[in-house]
Amino acid sequence: AQKVTQAQTEISVVEKEDVTLDCVYETRDTTYYLFWYKQPPSGELVFLIRRNSFDEQNEISGRYSWNFQKSTSSFNFTITASQVVDSAVYFCALTGGTSYGKLTFGQGTILTVHP
Amino acid sequence: SQTIHQWPATLVQPVGSPLSLECTVEGTSNPNLYWYRQAAGRGLQLLFYSVGIGQISSEVPQNLSASRPQDRQFILSSKKLLLSDSGFYLCAWSAGQGNSPLHFGNGTRLTVT
Repeated sequence: AQKVTQAQTEISVVEKEDVTLDCVYETRDTTYYLFWYKQPPSGELVFLIRRNSFDEQNEISGRYSWNFQKSTSSFNFTITASQVVDSAVYFCALTGGTSYGKLTFGQGTILTVHP
Repeated sequence: SQTIHQWPATLVQPVGSPLSLECTVEGTSNPNLYWYRQAAGRGLQLLFYSVGIGQISSEVPQNLSASRPQDRQFILSSKKLLLSDSGFYLCAWSAGQGNSPLHFGNGTRLTVT
């Protein structure tokens, strides 16, 4: 069975601080894909990134960066110089093996960025 | 570009009443389609997914059903709503490849009273 754990239920920071959202996953599949989604107050889920299990290169996109480490089964997400607009619930998700296309989501981390 | 439409945005229904939520996708063909529910605890639970017309797989036994009458149309239904059916329902689509990301609609907030 697959499992995604986001241990941080809520994080509160002040604008311009850096913040890291943790994600730890469990899977027996050798090939799998990891995702991060953002859910702003309006409710829709916005796709941020996909990473496959064979690519451990870290990725940076503007103020966002992702650190994938298979050795620790973690896929952490860092926001640099946070802004109020970053306030949202962030979900880490996993799919793989026979579950392709069906995501297993973590419980989400509520990020609040204060001005 | 592809777009996904989901309606209604909010819905208040009494216990025992029927339910029909509709989702349509534009700009792509033969998408995989999904219904997720997000309860107050924030986690997302996969309810149904479909890889083609008339092909529905149920993930969780419950009071709900799904249908896919057309390639890009996915409907979530119930004959009699329960209080426990309250939640935020999200439709999503993905391309046929297994590693394609899911793209979500804006969701329907259902309150059963």
